[in-house]
Amino acid sequence: GENVEQHPSTLSVQEGDSAVIKCTYSDSASNYFPWYKQELGKGPQLIIDIRSNVGEKKDQRIAVTLNKTAKHFSLHITETQPEDSAVYFCAASISPGSNYKLTFGKGTLLTVNP
Amino acid sequence: NAGVMQNPRHLVRRRGQEARLRCSPMKGHSHVYWYRQLPEEGLKFMVYLQKENIIDESGMPKERFSAEFPKEGPSILRIQQVVRGDSAAYFCASSPDRVSNIQYFGAGTRLSVL
Repeated sequence: GENVEQHPSTLSVQEGDSAVIKCTYSDSASNYFPWYKQELGKGPQLIIDIRSNVGEKKDQRIAVTLNKTAKHFSLHITETQPEDSAVYFCAASISPGSNYKLTFGKGTLLTVNP
Repeated sequence: NAGVMQNPRHLVRRRGQEARLRCSPMKGHSHVYWYRQLPEEGLKFMVYLQKENIIDESGMPKERFSAEFPKEGPSILRIQQVVRGDSAAYFCASSPDRVSNIQYFGAGTRLSVL
């Protein structure tokens, strides 16, 4: 089955700096890659996603890049703010497919220091 | 426009008791997924359901765990004879269709087994 590796496990940046989180996946059939932000005590919130027919997608300060050949994708957050502090999860799935389940990485704890 | 609703938010059970977790998907969503999150871990897929059908239960333990999504009412994840190892956060996600597979998560139920 699919395996998703995520790095780093923790990331500390100064307010205003950029943050980059990287994920690799094993199943070349995966074609949908969402990113979720989880704050303490809350459920995961979808922040951005990308499909395999696109190499990059941006939404204000957040961007995601995908390299299908290398089977890795990355989350980029620019001009970080203290409210960006949270755990970020990457995920992969095959869509449409037989079961649509998301396989998650283990998460990155991002701390933005004021 | 309510999101995915899960209840209870916190559930405490003694070993051997039953736990029932409820999930009401977003309005118009007929696809429900259950995931389990252990401390310091990513989310692990358990089961995927559509109304009155279990589509994929490959991530759910064969014994003591069951799930349903009836024609009327919320989806239920049921854990019989709970053990300490069942302590975790259980998240439900819903999706509007099979094509996009965009999954929206609830706030979760945190199960503690004493």
